[in-house]
Amino acid sequence: AQKITQTQPGMFVQEKEAVTLDCTYDTSDPSYGLFWYKQPSSGEMIFLIYQGSYDQQNATEGRYSLNFQKARKSANLVISASQLGDSAMYFCAMREGRGGGADGLTFGKGTHLIIQP
Amino acid sequence: KAGVTQTPRYLIKTRGQQVTLSCSPISGHRSVSWYQQTPGQGLQFLFEYFSETQRNKGNFPGRFSGRQFSNSRSEMNVSTLELGDSALYLCASRTGALVGTDTQYFGPGTRLTVL
Repeated sequence: AQKITQTQPGMFVQEKEAVTLDCTYDTSDPSYGLFWYKQPSSGEMIFLIYQGSYDQQNATEGRYSLNFQKARKSANLVISASQLGDSAMYFCAMREGRGGGADGLTFGKGTHLIIQP
Repeated sequence: KAGVTQTPRYLIKTRGQQVTLSCSPISGHRSVSWYQQTPGQGLQFLFEYFSETQRNKGNFPGRFSGRQFSNSRSEMNVSTLELGDSALYLCASRTGALVGTDTQYFGPGTRLTVL
């Protein structure tokens, strides 16, 4: 079973609109971290935002926020006021806490976001 | 602070050869992880090194190996290259603290093509 599921292979959004990228996860570990990364066509993975399983509030970083619904095991990324430069692949990833957090990140398949002028 | 650097950025090899990729982490980071990214399999974890010791390993054959030096720089080696090894290899560093909040920061990647 996939641990990270991103159901939107591709999305087209008008510039300045808000965007929600979906991510659901599967784990039995009570301690885990959820991450979102952006990968432009250049290939580099850029860290956007982090949410811990014990965090009471949704994470926010500038125009990025994470809609964390623990009971539903979802961690959707919200980008407010999208810009042309937001066009990229977006990956949701998880690190489980077993082993003290030494595990590598498990990534979803990604969502290709295209912002249209 | 300088980011994660990887060399070389591009590499072309032929089947049966071996290759070594290099990664320099962010200053102060003691953990280096390697990932393989392909169109078919997506991003897959190869291994993580911390203080010169392999701390965790993904599900890859023994042809994939790595090491870490005392200055935290890491190398990844792939022996007896196969066509399927063509991929973007990403290196990521973090402080290495055993907490979930320890964020990994990625380098630009090395794009390996095997002919």
